[in-house]
Order: sequence, then C-alpha cells, then structure tokens
Amino acid sequence: EVQLVESGGGLVQPGGSLRLSCAASGFTFSDHYMDWVRQAPGKGLEWVAHIRNKAKSYSTEYAASVKGRFTISRDDSKDSIYLQMNSLKAEDTAVYYCARDTYGNDYWGQGTLVTVSS
Amino acid sequence: QAGLTQPPSVSKGLRQTATLTCTGNSNNVGNLGAAWLQQHQGHPPKLLSSRKNNRPSGISERFSASRSGNTASLTITGLQPEDEADYFCSTWDSSLSVRVFGGGTKLTVL
Repeated sequence: EVQLVESGGGLVQPGGSLRLSCAASGFTFSDHYMDWVRQAPGKGLEWVAHIRNKAKSYSTEYAASVKGRFTISRDDSKDSIYLQMNSLKAEDTAVYYCARDTYGNDYWGQGTLVTVSS
Repeated sequence: QAGLTQPPSVSKGLRQTATLTCTGNSNNVGNLGAAWLQQHQGHPPKLLSSRKNNRPSGISERFSASRSGNTASLTITGLQPEDEADYFCSTWDSSLSVRVFGGGTKLTVL
C-alpha cells in the first residue's frame, strides 16, 4: 500500500524557517518524481515545488511565489523528500501536502499544517 | 503563473450527469492533457483520472475524462450524494516548467 506521511509543520513567526519531511512507503520511491502542494485555509490547491529522479539529475522546479525562499530535496536512501522553507510570510500559511507524480499526482499524504504568525 | 480555468460551482440533481470543464492553453492542457482530482472537506485530494485519461483502480466508471483542444472535461454520470465535493484539474506547463492547477469547481448534488 502506497503511503506518504508528512511531518514538520507548526507555528512559526514571519521571517522564520521550517523544514518539512515526507516519508514514502509501498512503492519504488527512487523511480518517481515528487511534488509539494499547499492549500491555504478555504482556498484551492497551489503547487509549490517539484523534484525529479536520479535519471533526471534530481532536477527541481519551483512556483514563482516561493522561488529563492524554499528548497525541495530528496534522500532516496530514506525514501523521503523535504521542503526547507526560509523567510516565511503570512501568506505561506497552509496545509502542505507531498504527492507522487505519475501523469498527475496519484498519491497524496494527509498534509501538515504550517502557520506563519506573530 | 497562469493557472487553469474552472467554473467555481456546478449544481445538478441526484442521478443526473455533470460535466466539469478545465481550460488552459497549448502549452499545458492542449499539449499534455489534464489530471482530475476530487477533494472532500477536510481530506486530501484523490486522483480520479490521470493526464492520460486513465482511471486509477477503485475509481468508479461513473467518472470519465476527455479533452478537446485546450479544454479538458470530467463527466460524472448518475450523480450520488457522495459526489458532492471540490474538483480540481491539474497539469504540467511545458513552456513555464511549472505544475498548474485550476481554481476548483464546487459540485453540489441537489
């Protein structure tokens, strides 16, 4: 059974940092591209970042709203992806989901809530 | 970043058919198709159809996806109360190298 479990969310002050983790199981993690997608309270889905596999040199892409502040990474030895979030703003407040990419995001975690507030 | 355009809401009666639309451009929907996701309140999204219009195992045959030009569609037949949810389309934009989502359609089953 495919499972994605996010962790690391919480309350952080504006300008602060947070590192999210997503642990995967139930599939050959190293083969797959992965995404972080967020959802602000009462809003729609917003793509955050994308990381490809080793065959594609672990290349990454970012939404314009987070480029230069967020960094996506992966550790295939731990079947995990990460999202390092720096210089956080109030508008980054959202539930952050990790999702597998197979011609669309076919598996999603339950999400972890990030709240940016003083 | 340009997103995909979905109608904010659609209302249909029980056992009727609903068709949800998602409009992009030649760099995203027109080139790569669109995936469809269903989200119930308080739950993560669930994939209903991939960009290749394939239904994952366990997804009802009542859900079918198609594409014409730059517009993707999701048709839901025999509407049930449990189909009441938010529906999002999503794809990759090959020109911008970003994933794009539609704003979502809230489907109400009357």
